[in-house]
Amino acid sequence: QSVLTQPPSVSGAPGQRVTISCTGSSSNIGAGYDVHWYQQLPGTAPKLLIYGNSNRPSGVPDRFSGSKSGTSASLAISGLQAEDEADYYCQSYDSLSGSRVFGGGTKLTVL
Amino acid sequence: EVQLLESGGGLVQPGGSLRLSCAASGFTFSSYAMSWVRQAPGKGLEWVSIISDSGGNTYYADSVKGQFTISRDNSKNTLYLQVNSLRAEDTAVYYCAKSSNSGSYLNRYFDLWGRGTLVTVSS
Repeated sequence: QSVLTQPPSVSGAPGQRVTISCTGSSSNIGAGYDVHWYQQLPGTAPKLLIYGNSNRPSGVPDRFSGSKSGTSASLAISGLQAEDEADYYCQSYDSLSGSRVFGGGTKLTVL
Repeated sequence: EVQLLESGGGLVQPGGSLRLSCAASGFTFSSYAMSWVRQAPGKGLEWVSIISDSGGNTYYADSVKGQFTISRDNSKNTLYLQVNSLRAEDTAVYYCAKSSNSGSYLNRYFDLWGRGTLVTVSS
């Protein structure tokens, strides 16, 4: 069971907007630690998608955006495209365990 | 080209050991903390361990503390993970990942990942 909770799956049609939540607690997200997001396309290694809650690395389309509030964070994907079909993971630091922690992952299906 | 290349995985019997390696290129390896992250078949990502840029500080997930040892050789641009007393639940793809240098240490993220090396623990 992950310290950060994500929905197992989300789906949307091409062109739509979807959001993926990442719920933590007062020892991680709620303590002010940053949330980062990674995209893992099928059969490949994870890739950094969003860092520092809401920042995009160069090369990541502005269709991807991140936000954080309280003990939760969200990843939003607008203008959904077939190539966005992947697993998405949030990550932060947890002071209770003294560990970097990942969410359980969310599988995005583009209908 | 900036890249990380893992090696050393394979099939090992329960109780066995392996040493995983991660060769870095295209960046100043000695300037960055490095981590290992694993992913069991069909499961999510699990952070395993991190080592500081100099190698002087190491941290582990509770699940592998006392069982795994992370190290690095900055002269060879290589990261290592010694995995001992392997159990079936250690079966996973092991990724090495480079930490960013921006922000506070605990807020840093993994900005470069290798392709991973598969460790299978089975008799």
